[in-house]
Amino acid sequence: EAQVTQNPRYLITVTGKKLTVTCSQNMNHEYMSWYRQDPGLGLRQIYYSMNVEVTDKGDVPEGYKVSRKEKRNFPLILESPSPNQTSLYFCASSPGRGQGAKRYNSPLHFGNGTRLTVT
Amino acid sequence: KQEVTQIPAALSVPEGENLVLNCSFTDSAIYNLQWFRQDPGKGLTSLLLIQSSQREQTSGRLNASLDKSSGRSTLYIAASQPGDSATYLCAVYNQGGKLIFGQGTELSVKP
Repeated sequence: EAQVTQNPRYLITVTGKKLTVTCSQNMNHEYMSWYRQDPGLGLRQIYYSMNVEVTDKGDVPEGYKVSRKEKRNFPLILESPSPNQTSLYFCASSPGRGQGAKRYNSPLHFGNGTRLTVT
Repeated sequence: KQEVTQIPAALSVPEGENLVLNCSFTDSAIYNLQWFRQDPGKGLTSLLLIQSSQREQTSGRLNASLDKSSGRSTLYIAASQPGDSATYLCAVYNQGGKLIFGQGTELSVKP
């Protein structure tokens, strides 16, 4: 089954303890991205990646790192989590092939989310 | 800076009604506009994608329109059903490659 898999689904941690949220897709998609969803603020893009070894900042990248060493995986790393990073996180992917607008004109596939609480 | 606004924030309708959800955006330099559905505790499901050169897209009981010059899109749901109850989100892809979401419309369809 074609899917985007995030782990873990729920995570409670303490301030400053490094953590990684994994994201994997089995559709050979080139484009992957991370979002956080907060009440009153909606979904905001953290980082995105157009292909292996290519990553770019979204609207709210501060406090986060990503890597794209292989096409299927796009982990989100919080080196020193803080309480303001408590949120619902989503990973997404799309084919992302072609040039210019064609790279973006495919529907996004989302994972089921990771609810992170930082105390 | 691109801003995406959805009105109304919440909507409750009786089963069978046709309804319209609205989305507006401030910068017309977009690649596309997408409509998503989000069920509680779940991720987002893509419903329709309208490329910047297109005016509308249809899928079953759903029809989405795009007027890029005025910065508006509508999602029309025909003959609504209780199973349509969810939060509906629109998002635009800026030509810088960033995806900007609206805050969503929470739809409740009463039997």
